[in-house]
Amino acid sequence: GAGVSQSPSNKVTEKGKDVELRCDPISGHTALYWYRQRLGQGLEFLIYFQGNSAPDKSGLPSDRFSAERTGESVSTLTIQRTQQEDSAVYLCASSPRVTAQNTEAFFGQGTRLTVV
Amino acid sequence: DAKTTQPNSMESNEEEPVHLPCNHSTISGTDYIHWYRQLPSQGPEYVIHGLTSNVNNRMASLAIAEDRKSSTLILHRATLRDAAVYYCILSGFITQGGSEKLVFGKGTKLTVNP
Repeated sequence: GAGVSQSPSNKVTEKGKDVELRCDPISGHTALYWYRQRLGQGLEFLIYFQGNSAPDKSGLPSDRFSAERTGESVSTLTIQRTQQEDSAVYLCASSPRVTAQNTEAFFGQGTRLTVV
Repeated sequence: DAKTTQPNSMESNEEEPVHLPCNHSTISGTDYIHWYRQLPSQGPEYVIHGLTSNVNNRMASLAIAEDRKSSTLILHRATLRDAAVYYCILSGFITQGGSEKLVFGKGTKLTVNP
């Protein structure tokens, strides 16, 4: 595939509903990141997957947020019981992460989540 | 996580060089210095990274201080398309079950005037 693909590009949901956001990384990339970016703000780290290592979940803001990754391919970010403060653009990135010298991350276009 | 400090905003004129500073006084020996930029309404894109020596690529140059406590991203001739938020990030490599994650700060918003 060409680049990191995220779906849906836009999602409007009602407060209290669960949502799933999908990320298809570049084939062969072992590292995968999720970020949240609220309007006019910087990127907020959420979670990081690297190969078969345990994911770094230190950025997840609450237990309503979870993420899974199937091997070194697709990842889903799930937000349960959505709140209005969850409204943001959710960005996914992947990286070859072959060596310490190469951590160039490629970002998708993001999923814009609006909770009404 | 190692921290970086950048000015909130900078302005430049088109076709002039731009020097974007970044301070990282707590950098460790294994931290790489990465720069990304985010154009309006887009995801971030990689610009350049380095460890100790200055680096050049088609987009920019990275000048790293001898003590590595600061660095400067240099755009040699700014264009309107270079208007973006520029992020300076430190990323280390932890061999024992740690993670090498990219943690973004607030960045510098660069305005390029025609």
